[in-house]
Amino acid sequence: DAKTTQPPSMDCAEGRAANLPCNHSTISGNEYVYWYRQIHSQGPQYIIHGLKNNETNEMASLIITEDRKSSTLILPHATLRDTAVYYCIVCSWGKFQFGAGTQVVVTP
Amino acid sequence: GAGVSQSPSNKVTEKGKDVELRCDPISGHTALYWYRQSLGQGLEFLIYFQGNSAPDKSGLPSDRFSAERTGGSVSTLTIQRTQQEDSAVYLCASSLTTGRTEAFFGQGTRLTVV
Repeated sequence: DAKTTQPPSMDCAEGRAANLPCNHSTISGNEYVYWYRQIHSQGPQYIIHGLKNNETNEMASLIITEDRKSSTLILPHATLRDTAVYYCIVCSWGKFQFGAGTQVVVTP
Repeated sequence: GAGVSQSPSNKVTEKGKDVELRCDPISGHTALYWYRQSLGQGLEFLIYFQGNSAPDKSGLPSDRFSAERTGGSVSTLTIQRTQQEDSAVYLCASSLTTGRTEAFFGQGTRLTVV
């Protein structure tokens, strides 16, 4: 499975949009992009996934570049409860390989 | 229950003892995963079951670790002769099928080897 690169940390003001980047330049044609988050001391929580089209659900939006080599997770109105480690994963089957993720801190 | 259930939630064991960790996946989910997360670290893949296929054991760190899944449902992760470096949170996840559907995680078992 392709590896991903994410910034180690970022801060976001409450109520603002949080844009989390992820590079996956070696992604192959059948690999999906998944985003999970892990709030302290809890199990990871699924956020969203996509193949090549942009996706939106009640939690977030996922923007995937046309060449699929990078993507951005958008939390439209960050709240304090969104403070977590966010993981970007590319995967075609099963075995999700988690990297170090991005520690997002939402501040009042 | 509606989610992935793991038991026990906490386990303290003496070095050298064997431990068994249990995972009840979401009903109907054919794929089941085990991960390990040491303090302050990311998630480390251990093993993956999909239906009746042979499991992917490529992440098991040593032959002291084994896992089985009975009847395509409940899974047990066994660690023999535990060592202090085995101390971690062990997380289980399940999904409807492989890859293209989201995996749902349990809250984990915190294992402490003393």
